[in-house]
Amino acid sequence: EVQLVESGGALVQRGGSLRLSCSASGFSFRDSPMNWVRRTPGKGLQWISNIRTSDEGGMSYADSVKGRFTISRDDAKNSLYLQMNSLRDEDTAVYYCASDLNYSFDLWGQGTLVTVSS
Amino acid sequence: QSALTQPPSASGSPGQSVTISCTGTSSDVGGFHYVSWYQRYPGKAPKLIIYDVNTRPSGVPDRFSGSKSGNTASLTVSGLQAEDEADYFCSSYAGGHGGHSWVFGGGTKLTVL
Repeated sequence: EVQLVESGGALVQRGGSLRLSCSASGFSFRDSPMNWVRRTPGKGLQWISNIRTSDEGGMSYADSVKGRFTISRDDAKNSLYLQMNSLRDEDTAVYYCASDLNYSFDLWGQGTLVTVSS
Repeated sequence: QSALTQPPSASGSPGQSVTISCTGTSSDVGGFHYVSWYQRYPGKAPKLIIYDVNTRPSGVPDRFSGSKSGNTASLTVSGLQAEDEADYFCSSYAGGHGGHSWVFGGGTKLTVL
């Protein structure tokens, strides 16, 4: 089955860290650029990070997370990761991983909830 | 507040056509041919229904069509069916300085009357 499954969401204290994972199956993960997108009640959907294929190289980040979040991938494990540091209240959201097709998001996971609390 | 502007709601009767707009700027919608549309049912993962402004992925009915004029993209659902009742949101590639970025619309709830 073609799917993406996120995990790692949790309740974390302000200033804390968290690592999200996304497990891919049913398609050629190594050939797919990947993204993290989040949804908040106040701001709706927000793209936060993209990683190209290992052959292409390159990562991009939204300004709101640059310097705090790091995207990475392990093609051998068909997995995508998001290391989140220095978490803020405004990082509270449902985080989705999504594969990239022609600069669109063609496959999404169900999402994992991150709650930042003081 | 979302970067792309969509009406919060739209509606139509079965068999009718409905068009949902998505307005951005020359830095996103108007600047690239990379507008996409998504359908989302409550509790489900979003589904890509249009990419590259007007291309349907395999398996998406041809009742769904996309277009763009200037800084505004549109999704038209023709021959409305009950199963089309869902949330629809748009996205556009927005380039970036040495990288990539994307923006999203706030979503439109489509009601089939």
